[in-house]
Amino acid sequence: GAVVSQHPSWVICKSGTSVKIECRSLDFQATTMFWYRQFPKQSLMLMATSNEGSKATYEQGVEKDKFLINHASLTLSTLTVTSAHPEDSSFYICSASHASGGYNEQFFGPGTRLTVL
Amino acid sequence: AQTVTQSQPEMSVQEAETVTLSCTYDTSESDYYLFWYKQPPSRQMILVIRQEAYKQQNATENRFSVNFQKAAKSFSLKISDSQLGDAAMYFCAYRSANFGNEKLTFGTGTRLTIIP
Repeated sequence: GAVVSQHPSWVICKSGTSVKIECRSLDFQATTMFWYRQFPKQSLMLMATSNEGSKATYEQGVEKDKFLINHASLTLSTLTVTSAHPEDSSFYICSASHASGGYNEQFFGPGTRLTVL
Repeated sequence: AQTVTQSQPEMSVQEAETVTLSCTYDTSESDYYLFWYKQPPSRQMILVIRQEAYKQQNATENRFSVNFQKAAKSFSLKISDSQLGDAAMYFCAYRSANFGNEKLTFGTGTRLTIIP
C-alpha cells in the first residue's frame, strides 16, 4: 500500500511552453502533498506544500506564478511549469502524506525528468 | 531554520563489511523526527529508517541502525553486512514534530559504493 505515481516520467519541451506534471496517491487519500526539485547530483529542495482545496504554500525563492500547483482532489496534485526555460530542466519529485504507524509519513513518487530545449 | 549537514559526499565499503554514514543537524526544537532515505539509480526515494527525538533508544531496521545523539545533534546510519543492493545516494532528513508542519529538510547526501 501507500503508492504514489507521477506522470509523465519524463518530458521534453520547447522553451516558452508549459508543462503539467501529475502526482497521484493510488491507494490512499492525501490531504497534503509536497513538490521537490532535484538538480543533478544534488539534494531534494522543497518547492511547495500542496493542501487539498486550498492554495499551495511556496518556499522562499520559488516563483508561484511560474510553478502553478493545484490540489483539486484528495488523490491528485498537479505542478504546471509555465513558460518553461532551459534553467527549469530538473528532476521533479512529489510526495504524499499518509498516516502510518501513528504519524504522517511521506510517500514519494518516482519523479519526473523535465528537459527544456 | 533547521539545517542538515552530511559531511561525506562519497563513501565506499567492501561487500559484507560495515559502514557508517554521518549526519549532523541544527534545530531549536525539542521534538522532531530524523530520517535516512535511500535513493538508488532509479531515483525512487525509499525510507530506510526513522527516529523520534523523544525516544532515547536508537532505531534499528534489520541491517540498518542509527546512533542518535540528541545533545550533540548527531544522527549516523550504520549499515551492517553491506550488500551490492545498498549502493545508492543516502540522504539524512529532518522533520518537525509540530502538528501541521510536515516539511522535510534534506542533507546534501552521501553516495555509497559497494565494492564486490
